[in-house]
Amino acid sequence: DAKTTQPPSMDCAEGRAANLPCNHSTISGNEYVYWYRQIHSQGPQYIIHGLKNNETNEMASLIITEDRKSSTLILPHATLRDTAVYYCIVSRGGSQGNLIFGKGTKLSVKP
Amino acid sequence: GAVVSQHPSRVICKSGTSVKIECRSLDFQATTMFWYRQFPKQSLMLMATSNEGSKATYEQGVEKDKFLINHASLTLSTLTVTSAHPEDSSFYICSARGSGTGTTNYGYTFGSGTRLTVV
Repeated sequence: DAKTTQPPSMDCAEGRAANLPCNHSTISGNEYVYWYRQIHSQGPQYIIHGLKNNETNEMASLIITEDRKSSTLILPHATLRDTAVYYCIVSRGGSQGNLIFGKGTKLSVKP
Repeated sequence: GAVVSQHPSRVICKSGTSVKIECRSLDFQATTMFWYRQFPKQSLMLMATSNEGSKATYEQGVEKDKFLINHASLTLSTLTVTSAHPEDSSFYICSARGSGTGTTNYGYTFGSGTRLTVV
């Protein structure tokens, strides 16, 4: 599976949008971009995933560049409970592939 | 949505004993389960992948005789840490990928993790 590059840490003010970037320049055509987050001492929580098009759900939006070499996860109104490590993962998904975690981005939401 | 239950959440055992961790898919059939290990301040490391009814596939560097994985049914996988030593102390997390009406469209659901401390 392709590797990803994320900044090790980011800060965000409570109530503001948090924009978390991810580079995945070696992504293959059949690989999805997944975002998970992990709050301390818990299992990872699914946020969103996409293939080519931008995606939005109740938690976040995922913006994927046209060449698919990078993406941005947007938390529209960050709260203190959004403080976590966010992982961007590329994988074939479905019945194939697995999730290989990189180091992620530690997002700290500050009051 | 899909739920994966992992037990126990925390266990302390003596060095040399074995510990079993259970991972259950509650509302879907988990055709594939994954086991991860996470050391403090590090990311999750994939240990092995198991398909129901088949032998697990271990990642390079993971001792299959030490970390026994059983995936005998579509809703249960177990990880047994045999002859545990203090260096095996870690956070163990399972993940299930399933099929059926109970699964979400993303396919991977994680358990809440098991904190193993070997003393």
